[in-house]
Formats: sequence, structure tokens, C-alpha cells
Amino acid sequence: NAGVMQNPRHLVRRRGQEARLRCSPMKGHSHVYWYRQLPEEGLKFMVYLQKENIIDESGMPKERFSAEFPKEGPSILRIQQVVRGDSAAYFCASSLGLAGDLETQYFGPGTRLLVL
Amino acid sequence: SQELEQSPQSLIVQEGKNLTINCTSSKTLYGLYWYKQKYGEGLIFLMMLQKGGEEKSHEKITAKLDEKKQQSSLHITASQPSHAGIYLCGADISGTYKYIFGTGTRLKVLA
Repeated sequence: NAGVMQNPRHLVRRRGQEARLRCSPMKGHSHVYWYRQLPEEGLKFMVYLQKENIIDESGMPKERFSAEFPKEGPSILRIQQVVRGDSAAYFCASSLGLAGDLETQYFGPGTRLLVL
Repeated sequence: SQELEQSPQSLIVQEGKNLTINCTSSKTLYGLYWYKQKYGEGLIFLMMLQKGGEEKSHEKITAKLDEKKQQSSLHITASQPSHAGIYLCGADISGTYKYIFGTGTRLKVLA
């Protein structure tokens, strides 16, 4: 009964490269959320996706960041032309997606991105 | 300013002692979630509280949500080294899906 899976767990990139972070939700979950945890700061919401739809990306930086959750396959958080300030832990969470109910989000182990 | 305040920021206790961590919001909470995070790992879901005055327990951990739904406390009885980690409270303040989080309480339990 696998939980939320994220890969890679650690990612090192040089400035200007692209970073691709993957997230597979828990079995049966159709909603995915991405959060970022900067050093010494709390988790901050980035984006909320359902299959093939971005529901809320109000927490995403306006440039260089994008997210998708295709019909098949994992959700992807993509960061283009990374800068040192992108170094952080990126967490994915998933929930069942029951309309009208307050849902618990279950988190993955995170991807720790280091930009050199 | 932080929308969700946690206190204390860090805590060191002797094994066997009881401890309490608090989480306070200036807004009414639709849902309050407690997670535990170990360094380098993800968040482990502990408990969710939704109703004013609600209290839940799991093993030696008890969490409460006050009647006004603006403050929650997490209480650990007879702490053990396995309880060490960072405790995070997360909250839904808009009745949707966008959680906000406190900055966490780092707990160390001395054997």
C-alpha cells in the first residue's frame, strides 16, 4: 500500500539548468498539491492539480515554474533555468478528491533540490 | 507575519516527561492537521481536527482544537526518543485545499 512517491529524492543542478520533479499520488487519489520548504521557513503552497487540470497555481512563481498532472503518469513540477534561490525541499501531497469534504493531504518524502 | 504561529520553536525534554506544543491562528480554522517530520524525510500525518472542542488521541499523542477553532495543542505523554522530530501544524483557513503551515517545533528527547 504505497504512499505518495517522489523522485528523485535529491537533485543537484547548476544555475541555468532545468529541474524536473516527479510525484505519484497515493493509489486512488486524484488530487495533487505541491509545496516548497525553503531553509528555515515553513511549507508554502505552490499549486493544486487534478488530472489534466491546474486548479490553483497562485503560489507558483510567475516565471520559470510550471506543473502538470497528465491523464497517465506522475505529476511533474518543472523549474527552468534554475537559480540558487530555488534550492529547497519540494513536497508533493495527494488527497482523495471527495467533493464537499474537508480532506487530509498525505505527503511524499520530498525532493531536495540543490542549485550550485 | 506568520498566519499560523507555533510554540515553542524548539524543545528538549528528558525521556519520560510530558510536553505540549501549541499552534495558534488569528483566523477560524476549517481544519487543523498535525504532522511529524524527521530530518530529510517527508511529513507523516498524525491527526486532523475539525470541530470546535474536538480531541483525538493516538498512542501517547493527544491533540485538541479549542472551541473557537483558532488554537490547537499537541500533547505527548511519557515522551520517548522515537518522538523526536519536527512537529508541524497545518491548517485550512479557507475551507478549500490550500494549507498553511507553522514553522514547526523541533523536539529532542534525551534518553
